[in-house]
Amino acid sequence: AQSVTQLDSQVPVFEEAPVELRCNYSSSVSVYLFWYVQYPNQGLQLLLKYLSGSTLVKGINGFEAEFNKSQTSFHLRKPSVHISDTAEYFCAVTNTGGFKTIFGAGTRLFVKA
Amino acid sequence: DTAVSQTPKYLVTQMGNDKSIKCEQNLGHDTMYWYKQDSKKFLKIMFSYNNKELIINETVPNRFSPKSPDKAHLNLHINSLELGDSAVYFCASSPGLTGTDTQYFGPGTRLTVL
Repeated sequence: AQSVTQLDSQVPVFEEAPVELRCNYSSSVSVYLFWYVQYPNQGLQLLLKYLSGSTLVKGINGFEAEFNKSQTSFHLRKPSVHISDTAEYFCAVTNTGGFKTIFGAGTRLFVKA
Repeated sequence: DTAVSQTPKYLVTQMGNDKSIKCEQNLGHDTMYWYKQDSKKFLKIMFSYNNKELIINETVPNRFSPKSPDKAHLNLHINSLELGDSAVYFCASSPGLTGTDTQYFGPGTRLTVL
C-alpha cells in the first residue's frame, strides 16, 4: 500500500519570497504523483502532476515540482509567492496500475505581507 | 457552468437524524468519489463509483450509503448521524478509472451534527 507524508503542517512565508513544500511517499511499485490546492472554503483543484518523463513538472500559478525517485520525494516550489497563494496544499499518490489516490495530511501555506 | 456541484453547502442537524447530500457532475466523467475531510484537513476516500458500479468502499460505517442513479450523479445518505460525522464532505469526479486521471472536486458540504 502507498502512503504520503507532508513534512510541514504549516509554512509561513513573506510575500515575494521563495517557498518549498515537502512531500515524501512510500510505495512498493511505481507511482503517479499529484499536488492539489484548496483555497479557503473551496474544493481541491489540480496544481500539477507527474506521470512519467521529465522529473521537473510545471503547473499552474507558477508552481513546479521535482520528482526524485531515489529520495521518494515530490517537493513543490515557487520562486516568488503572492498573498493569493495562501491556501492548503495536498500531495497525493496513486500506484501505477491502481486507481485509488491517497492524499497527504496537507500543508497550510500562509503568505504574509 | 459548475463542473461538480453539491447540495446543500451547509447542513446542520441533530444526532440520530438521517440526511442526504447530492452531487452532480456535468463533465461527462465515468468515475465519481466521496471524500471526508476532518477538522484537521485530513482527506480520506469513502467511496468510488465507476459507471454506476461501486469500486471503492473504504472502512466506512454502514450508516453511510452511496447511491448512483446514473453516471452524472452520486448521492450520499447518512443514517443515525453521530457527532463524529461532523466534517466537510467532498464529491469529486474523474474521466476514467486510471491512476493518471485528475480528480475534479465539488465545493464541499459542511455537515455539523449537534
